[in-house]
Amino acid sequence: EVHLVQSGTEVKKPGESLKISCRGSGYRFDTYWIGWVRQMPGKGLEWVGIIYPGDSDTRYSPSFQGQVTISADKSISTAYLQWNSLKASDTAMYYCARQDSSGLVYWGQGSLVTVSS
Amino acid sequence: SYELTQPPSVSVSPGQTASISCSGENLGSTNACWYQQKPGQSPVLVIYQNAKRPSGIPERFSGSKSGNSATLTISGTQAVDEADYYCQSWDSSTLVVFGGGTKLTVL
Repeated sequence: EVHLVQSGTEVKKPGESLKISCRGSGYRFDTYWIGWVRQMPGKGLEWVGIIYPGDSDTRYSPSFQGQVTISADKSISTAYLQWNSLKASDTAMYYCARQDSSGLVYWGQGSLVTVSS
Repeated sequence: SYELTQPPSVSVSPGQTASISCSGENLGSTNACWYQQKPGQSPVLVIYQNAKRPSGIPERFSGSKSGNSATLTISGTQAVDEADYYCQSWDSSTLVVFGGGTKLTVL
Protein backbone atom coordinates (compact mmCIF):
# COMPACT_ATOMS: atom_id res chain seq x y z
CA GLU A 1 0.00 0.00 0.00
CA VAL A 2 1.27 3.45 -0.95
CA HIS A 3 1.94 5.89 1.88
CA LEU A 4 3.42 9.37 2.03
CA VAL A 5 4.41 10.37 5.57
CA GLN A 6 5.39 13.95 6.25
CA SER A 7 7.38 15.53 9.04
CA GLY A 8 5.52 17.24 11.84
CA THR A 9 4.48 20.70 12.91
CA GLU A 10 7.13 23.42 12.87
CA VAL A 11 7.14 26.77 14.66
CA LYS A 12 9.86 29.11 13.47
CA LYS A 13 10.86 32.76 13.63
CA PRO A 14 11.19 35.03 10.59
CA GLY A 15 14.60 34.67 8.99
CA GLU A 16 15.15 31.10 10.18
CA SER A 17 15.70 28.18 7.82
CA LEU A 18 13.58 25.05 7.58
CA LYS A 19 13.49 21.74 5.72
CA ILE A 20 10.37 19.56 5.82
CA SER A 21 10.21 16.03 4.53
CA CYS A 22 7.94 13.52 2.80
CA ARG A 23 8.82 9.83 2.94
CA GLY A 24 7.26 7.43 0.47
CA SER A 25 6.65 3.74 1.02
CA GLY A 26 4.85 0.90 -0.70
CA TYR A 27 6.13 1.71 -4.17
CA ARG A 28 9.33 2.41 -6.07
CA PHE A 29 10.03 5.98 -4.96
CA ASP A 30 12.36 6.95 -7.79
CA THR A 31 9.82 6.30 -10.57
CA TYR A 32 7.07 8.77 -9.67
CA TRP A 33 7.05 12.56 -9.53
CA ILE A 34 6.46 14.05 -6.06
CA GLY A 35 4.88 17.49 -5.82
CA TRP A 36 4.41 20.02 -3.04
CA VAL A 37 1.22 21.99 -2.42
CA ARG A 38 0.74 25.01 -0.15
CA GLN A 39 -2.51 25.83 1.62
CA MET A 40 -2.49 29.06 3.56
CA PRO A 41 -4.96 29.37 6.46
CA GLY A 42 -8.52 29.42 5.15
CA LYS A 43 -7.34 29.50 1.54
CA GLY A 44 -7.14 27.20 -1.49
CA LEU A 45 -4.53 24.83 -2.86
CA GLU A 46 -1.43 26.27 -4.56
CA TRP A 47 1.12 24.29 -6.55
CA VAL A 48 4.68 24.87 -5.33
CA GLY A 49 6.67 22.54 -7.55
CA ILE A 50 7.61 18.97 -8.34
CA ILE A 51 10.60 16.66 -8.41
CA TYR A 52 11.40 13.36 -10.09
CA PRO A 53 13.52 11.50 -7.53
CA GLY A 54 15.04 9.26 -10.19
CA ASP A 55 17.16 12.06 -11.65
CA SER A 56 16.21 15.05 -9.41
CA ASP A 57 14.59 16.89 -12.33
CA THR A 58 12.81 19.75 -10.52
CA ARG A 59 10.25 22.28 -11.71
CA TYR A 60 8.83 25.21 -9.80
CA SER A 61 5.65 27.20 -10.11
CA PRO A 62 6.65 30.76 -11.10
CA SER A 63 5.23 32.09 -7.82
CA PHE A 64 7.63 29.94 -5.80
CA GLN A 65 10.76 29.99 -8.00
CA GLY A 66 13.64 31.30 -5.93
CA GLN A 67 11.59 31.22 -2.71
CA VAL A 68 11.94 27.53 -1.86
CA THR A 69 14.11 24.56 -2.81
CA ILE A 70 12.77 21.10 -3.57
CA SER A 71 15.11 18.13 -3.32
CA ALA A 72 15.00 14.38 -2.88
CA ASP A 73 17.13 11.53 -1.57
CA LYS A 74 16.05 8.41 -3.38
CA SER A 75 18.23 6.21 -1.18
CA ILE A 76 15.84 6.89 1.71
CA SER A 77 12.70 7.49 -0.38
CA THR A 78 12.32 11.04 0.89
CA ALA A 79 11.52 14.36 -0.75
CA TYR A 80 12.16 17.73 0.87
CA LEU A 81 10.92 21.30 0.76
CA GLN A 82 13.19 23.91 2.26
CA TRP A 83 13.43 27.60 2.98
CA ASN A 84 16.62 29.58 3.66
CA SER A 85 14.89 32.55 5.27
CA LEU A 86 11.30 32.13 6.38
CA LYS A 87 8.74 34.92 6.28
CA ALA A 88 5.47 35.23 8.15
CA SER A 89 3.71 34.77 4.82
CA ASP A 90 5.16 31.23 4.60
CA THR A 91 2.77 30.20 7.38
CA ALA A 92 0.67 27.43 5.85
CA MET A 93 -0.05 23.73 5.65
CA TYR A 94 2.22 22.03 3.12
CA TYR A 95 1.23 18.77 1.47
CA CYS A 96 3.29 16.40 -0.63
CA ALA A 97 1.52 14.32 -3.27
CA ARG A 98 2.51 11.68 -5.79
CA GLN A 99 1.68 12.57 -9.37
CA ASP A 100 0.40 9.67 -11.45
CA SER A 101 -0.98 9.72 -14.98
CA SER A 102 -4.37 10.01 -13.25
CA GLY A 103 -3.46 13.05 -11.19
CA LEU A 104 -2.48 13.45 -7.53
CA VAL A 105 -3.71 10.14 -6.20
CA TYR A 106 -1.70 9.83 -2.99
CA TRP A 107 -1.22 12.67 -0.51
CA GLY A 108 0.74 13.09 2.68
CA GLN A 109 -1.00 14.10 5.88
CA GLY A 110 0.38 17.64 5.69
CA SER A 111 3.07 19.57 7.57
CA LEU A 112 1.96 22.71 9.39
CA VAL A 113 4.53 25.51 9.29
CA THR A 114 4.00 28.55 11.50
CA VAL A 115 6.34 31.52 11.21
CA SER A 116 5.95 34.10 13.94
CA SER A 117 8.15 36.41 15.94
CA SER B 1 -0.22 32.78 -15.90
CA TYR B 2 -2.79 30.07 -16.52
CA GLU B 3 -5.87 30.13 -14.30
CA LEU B 4 -8.81 27.85 -13.58
CA THR B 5 -12.00 29.59 -12.48
CA GLN B 6 -14.54 28.02 -10.12
CA PRO B 7 -17.56 29.52 -8.34
CA PRO B 8 -16.67 30.26 -4.70
CA SER B 9 -19.73 28.49 -3.35
CA VAL B 10 -22.55 26.16 -4.35
CA SER B 11 -25.54 25.18 -2.23
CA VAL B 12 -27.70 22.10 -2.66
CA SER B 13 -30.49 20.37 -0.78
CA PRO B 14 -29.96 16.79 0.36
CA GLY B 15 -30.88 14.31 -2.37
CA GLN B 16 -30.58 16.90 -5.13
CA THR B 17 -27.89 17.27 -7.80
CA ALA B 18 -24.93 19.61 -7.29
CA SER B 19 -22.89 20.88 -10.22
CA ILE B 20 -19.55 22.66 -9.87
CA SER B 21 -17.97 24.28 -12.90
CA CYS B 22 -14.35 24.92 -13.78
CA SER B 23 -13.22 26.97 -16.76
CA GLY B 24 -9.77 27.60 -18.19
CA GLU B 25 -8.11 28.26 -21.53
CA ASN B 26 -6.05 25.05 -21.53
CA LEU B 27 -8.90 22.72 -20.59
CA GLY B 28 -9.66 22.18 -24.24
CA SER B 29 -6.32 20.43 -24.67
CA THR B 30 -5.65 18.91 -21.23
CA ASN B 31 -7.44 16.66 -18.79
CA ALA B 32 -9.19 17.82 -15.64
CA CYS B 33 -9.16 16.27 -12.18
CA TRP B 34 -11.30 17.03 -9.16
CA TYR B 35 -10.41 16.82 -5.47
CA GLN B 36 -12.57 16.84 -2.37
CA GLN B 37 -11.17 18.35 0.83
CA LYS B 38 -12.93 18.21 4.18
CA PRO B 39 -11.83 20.40 7.11
CA GLY B 40 -8.59 19.23 8.67
CA GLN B 41 -8.02 16.54 6.03
CA SER B 42 -5.80 16.08 3.00
CA PRO B 43 -7.44 16.39 -0.43
CA VAL B 44 -8.89 13.26 -2.03
CA LEU B 45 -8.99 12.64 -5.79
CA VAL B 46 -12.63 12.04 -6.83
CA ILE B 47 -12.43 12.40 -10.63
CA TYR B 48 -9.49 12.02 -13.02
CA GLN B 49 -9.10 12.27 -16.79
CA ASN B 50 -12.25 14.41 -16.89
CA ALA B 51 -14.77 11.68 -16.10
CA LYS B 52 -13.16 8.63 -14.43
CA ARG B 53 -13.72 7.69 -10.82
CA PRO B 54 -10.92 6.19 -8.69
CA SER B 55 -11.82 3.00 -6.87
CA GLY B 56 -13.68 3.70 -3.66
CA ILE B 57 -15.32 6.91 -4.88
CA PRO B 58 -19.13 6.63 -4.84
CA GLU B 59 -20.97 6.42 -8.16
CA ARG B 60 -22.86 9.62 -7.37
CA PHE B 61 -19.69 11.53 -8.30
CA SER B 62 -19.28 12.12 -12.04
CA GLY B 63 -17.32 14.46 -14.26
CA SER B 64 -17.54 15.85 -17.75
CA LYS B 65 -15.69 18.25 -20.00
CA SER B 66 -16.75 20.32 -22.96
CA GLY B 67 -14.45 22.76 -24.69
CA ASN B 68 -12.70 24.89 -22.09
CA SER B 69 -15.00 23.91 -19.22
CA ALA B 70 -15.18 20.95 -16.88
CA THR B 71 -18.01 20.05 -14.51
CA LEU B 72 -18.17 17.95 -11.37
CA THR B 73 -21.65 16.57 -10.71
CA ILE B 74 -22.81 14.99 -7.48
CA SER B 75 -26.12 13.17 -7.85
CA GLY B 76 -28.26 12.50 -4.79
CA THR B 77 -26.02 14.74 -2.70
CA GLN B 78 -25.57 13.67 0.91
CA ALA B 79 -24.60 15.65 3.97
CA VAL B 80 -21.26 13.80 3.99
CA ASP B 81 -20.45 15.44 0.62
CA GLU B 82 -20.23 18.90 2.20
CA ALA B 83 -16.63 19.95 1.53
CA ASP B 84 -14.37 22.13 -0.59
CA TYR B 85 -13.88 20.95 -4.16
CA TYR B 86 -10.93 21.86 -6.38
CA CYS B 87 -10.47 21.32 -10.08
CA GLN B 88 -6.95 20.75 -11.37
CA SER B 89 -5.27 20.67 -14.74
CA TRP B 90 -1.85 21.36 -16.27
CA ASP B 91 -0.44 24.43 -17.97
CA SER B 92 1.65 24.52 -21.13
CA SER B 93 4.78 23.79 -19.06
CA THR B 94 3.08 20.67 -17.63
CA LEU B 95 2.92 22.28 -14.22
CA VAL B 96 -0.10 21.55 -12.04
CA VAL B 97 -2.69 24.32 -11.78
CA PHE B 98 -5.55 24.34 -9.25
CA GLY B 99 -8.81 26.21 -9.40
CA GLY B 100 -9.65 28.52 -6.53
CA GLY B 101 -11.96 26.00 -4.91
CA THR B 102 -15.72 25.76 -4.39
CA LYS B 103 -17.35 25.36 -1.00
CA LEU B 104 -20.25 22.94 -1.32
CA THR B 105 -22.95 23.45 1.30
CA VAL B 106 -25.65 20.81 1.75
CA LEU B 107 -28.59 22.65 3.29
